[in-house]
Amino acid sequence: LAKITQPISMDSYEGQEVNITCSHNNIATNDYITWYQQFPSQGPRFIIQGYKTKVTNEVASLFIPADRKSSTLSLPRVSLSDTAVYYCLVGEGYQKVTFGTGTKLQVIP
Amino acid sequence: DTGVSQDPRHKITKRGQNVTFRCDPISEHNRLYWYRQTLGQGPEFLTYFQNEAQLEKSRLLSDRFSAERPKGSFSTLEIQRTEQGDSAMYLCASSFAGSSGNTIYFGEGSWLTVV
Repeated sequence: LAKITQPISMDSYEGQEVNITCSHNNIATNDYITWYQQFPSQGPRFIIQGYKTKVTNEVASLFIPADRKSSTLSLPRVSLSDTAVYYCLVGEGYQKVTFGTGTKLQVIP
Repeated sequence: DTGVSQDPRHKITKRGQNVTFRCDPISEHNRLYWYRQTLGQGPEFLTYFQNEAQLEKSRLLSDRFSAERPKGSFSTLEIQRTEQGDSAMYLCASSFAGSSGNTIYFGEGSWLTVV
């Protein structure tokens, strides 16, 4: 399994763009990169998934450089409701996902 | 709502009692997972099924834990002779194996408190 490193916590003011970078140096060829968001006492919620380059959906963008050894989740114009824990996961299609401790994002008014 | 459904959402039980949680996955998903999460930690994998077959079990799943998925649809997780250390949120998730990326969708969790 890929070893994943992401910051333990981040603070941001409302309205700012937040970028959370995840390091996964030993990512395998078949691995996808997936980000989940989790609020207290709720199950993780799928945010975005990508394999390479850039993926964008209605809530976030995911930037993956050519070597795929890292990825960056970008949240545009965060609000207080974006305060949550964000998990970066790496794995292939037929594998269970393994969570780390995630990044606790605190949005400040 | 066609997401992953878990029941009950909360359960308080006395030490030594048995508890059972139920999970109804997204209907077309053939894979079902159970995770456990304690405060401040990420979810820990317990076990997963492909259809009705239990393909992998974590070492976290002691003999007191048993999971079933009898018809490849809903699943149950039973904990026998509960201990205080079993207090946690039990998460069920499902996915469709065969799609690229294997996106896993989680339910809202079942909170267990053992007193």
